[in-house]
Amino acid sequence: EVQLVETGGGLIQPGGSLRLSCAASGFTVSSNYMGWVRQAPGKGLEWVSVIYSGGSTYYAASVKGRFTISRDSSKNTLYLQMNSLRAEDTAVYYCARGASYYGSAYFAFDIWGQGTMVTVSS
Amino acid sequence: EIVLTQSPGTLSLSPGERATLSCRASQSVSSNYLAWYQQKPGQAPRLLIYGASSRATGIPDRFSGSGSGTDFTLTISRLEPEDFAVYYCQHYRSSPPEYSFGQGTKLEIK
Repeated sequence: EVQLVETGGGLIQPGGSLRLSCAASGFTVSSNYMGWVRQAPGKGLEWVSVIYSGGSTYYAASVKGRFTISRDSSKNTLYLQMNSLRAEDTAVYYCARGASYYGSAYFAFDIWGQGTMVTVSS
Repeated sequence: EIVLTQSPGTLSLSPGERATLSCRASQSVSSNYLAWYQQKPGQAPRLLIYGASSRATGIPDRFSGSGSGTDFTLTISRLEPEDFAVYYCQHYRSSPPEYSFGQGTKLEIK
């Protein structure tokens, strides 16, 4: 079964750091483009970061320089290292697999994890 | 930055009716990179439509997408009780790579 499971969320003080993990099953993380999307309480979806199969990484302006996306092929796991956390980073963080059909990437996300809550508060 | 504006903010309809949701981009975008998602309370989003008009795996054919340029539409031909949810459009821009979401349309039971 194709599945993503996020862990690592929790309550963290402003300025702190947290690392989220996203364990994949049923497919290979490094062969796909993978992303993180977050959703603040009661709000809409916001793209955070993406890593492509070739290793290129990109970030939303709101997190650039503070967050780092990475992957571990041996563990088939995606990560999001979050530093210098702010109250406005409070959200459910979803990892998601990039959608590819018939050999073409469509830059949407077709498989999503259940999300992990990050709360930044003193 | 491309801004996606969805309308209406809330749509109140009854089961069996037809739903038409709009997504307007602040500048012309590639249809290949326009997607629609459904999200129910407490759940992760689900991909419905990619490439503006192609249904994702397992999506019923009552869902259809259309449009080009700056105006895109998600249509649900006959609403089922399970279709009441929030819907988001999403676009990808390649240079520099950026993914953007609309603010969402809440489809509620009338």
